Amino acid sequence: SQELEQSPQSLIVQEGKNLTINCTSSKTLYGLYWYKQKYGEGLIFLMMLQKGGEEKSHEKITAKLDEKKQQSSLHITASQPSHAGIYLCGAVITQGGSEKLVFGKGTKLTVNP
Amino acid sequence: GAGVSQSPSNKVTEKGKDVELRCDPISGHTALYWYRQSLGQGLEFLIYFQGNSAPDKSGLPSDRFSAERTGGSVSTLTIQRTQQEDSAVYLCASSLEVGGLAKNIQYFGAGTRLSVL
Repeated sequence: SQELEQSPQSLIVQEGKNLTINCTSSKTLYGLYWYKQKYGEGLIFLMMLQKGGEEKSHEKITAKLDEKKQQSSLHITASQPSHAGIYLCGAVITQGGSEKLVFGKGTKLTVNP
Repeated sequence: GAGVSQSPSNKVTEKGKDVELRCDPISGHTALYWYRQSLGQGLEFLIYFQGNSAPDKSGLPSDRFSAERTGGSVSTLTIQRTQQEDSAVYLCASSLEVGGLAKNIQYFGAGTRLSVL
């Protein structure tokens, strides 16, 4: 079965600093999602990457998929307190004839003002 | 509706009682998924619906768990004879079916936080 490992598990940064979160898969990634979750809320969709080398950006968040390394990275530039939360990566897998997402355990981000 | 809606948002129950959790997907989304998020366990897949049928129930942890979907819309996850280890956040997600998850975004509801005392 496919497993996703996220690193670091938690991260504390000062407001304004840049940071990177990594997601490494045990198998080739064919579709990779990034979500953000705040306490008491569901998962908020950030980005979906499909092709090796693909890079997407939204506001100050950039995600990249490197299929050769079976890895995706999420980079936040000039972090703000509003970026705080748990970041989850999810990989599309086909199992039992259906598609589903398997998730990493998340990276908890704290941004201190 | 505008997004995936789940109810109740919080549920406290006594061990041994049955509970029903409801999910109202985004209008037009034929694929519906249930996940469970436990402390330290991450997100676990429970069941997937394609229309009203469930081709993949592989994630249901025991026969105390069941789910149904009617009219290709609302889904109900039922847990019978709840145990303390069932305490978790239960999340529902929906997506368009055509093209699969590699092309269609899976949108999540806010979840139901279940506490079994």
